[in-house]
Amino acid sequence: GAGVSQSPSNKVTEKGKDVELRCDPISGHTALYWYRQSLGQGLEFLIYFQGNSAPDKSGLPSDRFSAERTGGSVSTLTIQRTQQEDSAVYLCASSLLAGGFILGYEQYFGPGTRLTVT
Amino acid sequence: EDKVVQSPLSLVVHEGDTVTLNCSYEVTNFRSLLWYKQEKKAPTFLFMLTSSGIEKKSGRLSSILDKKELFSILNITATQTGDSAIYLCAHGNNRLAFGKGNQVVVIP
Repeated sequence: GAGVSQSPSNKVTEKGKDVELRCDPISGHTALYWYRQSLGQGLEFLIYFQGNSAPDKSGLPSDRFSAERTGGSVSTLTIQRTQQEDSAVYLCASSLLAGGFILGYEQYFGPGTRLTVT
Repeated sequence: EDKVVQSPLSLVVHEGDTVTLNCSYEVTNFRSLLWYKQEKKAPTFLFMLTSSGIEKKSGRLSSILDKKELFSILNITATQTGDSAIYLCAHGNNRLAFGKGNQVVVIP
């Protein structure tokens, strides 16, 4: 079946502009996660959605970052008033289940959106 | 805060060599330890480890966890050029904490 898809694959924006990044999780997956990967850094957790529960926003670096997940499926990560330090690859992942540690809980990643803020 | 440290950060080997990658961790409550392979874009899932001493195997790749000494090893035997990638280790179940990765380059 189809994997996690993200759009756009690349985005160049000017400092101060807002951007929206989209993620389509694997069909039937109940949990969705956003991470970002900066040059020389590991993947950094941003936010996580599980079903209809309130999202875990504990990884969002500032209030310029927000995310929504509509209808339990597609998610949008919005960055307002972008700064140069926001330049990174933003990766989305989904998992069939969440909160456990047996097969079925592993996260599957999309190809990412490379964001460049000039 | 969970801490995951991978070593070596990078290595170059010849085809046919065996590679051993190390992932050590310091966490408050152990959940699971995961390995991913990242070539160009999407990290692809390799293994999830929760129990000490039980080897997980997939083809030429294998991995084991030591919860007493707080580390995991990923082994790749008879390496091929297609094994060139960054191998990522992560701890958690929901919000994963990743190491910086082991960059492996396999030369013919």
